[in-house]
Amino acid sequence: AQSVAQPEDQVNVAEGNPLTVKCTYSVSGNPYLFWYVQYPNRGLQFLLKYITGDNLVKGSYGFEAEFNKSQTSFHLKKPSALVSDSALYFCAVRDMETGRRALTFGSGTRLQVQP
Amino acid sequence: DTEVTQTPKHLVMGMTNKKSLKCEQHMGHRAMYWYKQKAKKPPELMFVYSYEKLSINESVPSRFSPECPNSSLLNLHLHALQPEDSALYLCASSQEGSSGYEQYFGPGTRLTVT
Repeated sequence: AQSVAQPEDQVNVAEGNPLTVKCTYSVSGNPYLFWYVQYPNRGLQFLLKYITGDNLVKGSYGFEAEFNKSQTSFHLKKPSALVSDSALYFCAVRDMETGRRALTFGSGTRLQVQP
Repeated sequence: DTEVTQTPKHLVMGMTNKKSLKCEQHMGHRAMYWYKQKAKKPPELMFVYSYEKLSINESVPSRFSPECPNSSLLNLHLHALQPEDSALYLCASSQEGSSGYEQYFGPGTRLTVT
């Protein structure tokens, strides 16, 4: 079975400071990992993915994520936070071993960027 | 173009009504999904269609009935719903294969069952 944990319900950061949103995963095979962002009353927007290759993945809106196999983590980062980054962030994993076409989402982390 | 469209945006229905949610994508994606999302919770997978065939049904009650008329369209037929079915219903699609796997989501239909 595959699972994702987002240990923080909320992350608060001042505008201009770096931000990190944490994610750890558990799969039996090779993980495909994704980050999505959701603004109020909207659908999820795809930010970035890790499938294979470089452990540092760059995505939309200046976000990046670091894949760490030994720590089974895929933390989302941004060097300088904007107030407009305030939203709900979901990490998701897909276990390519099972062939099951489904994502498992974490519980979500609310990012609050203060001006 | 990475757009998935959903109609209607909002829907209020009584417990005896029959209604349908519609989803459309023109990205050539061959997998389409329905999710249910409660406030401040992650999306919960309901159904997956792959090449227009139902491949995953997450033990969803029969009052929800999916349909995939063609590779671009996905419907969710609703009948005799309960108040606890009130939620945001999200449609998504994905390419599958080495060029993708990420899912692209529509804006959702906010459903209220009275």
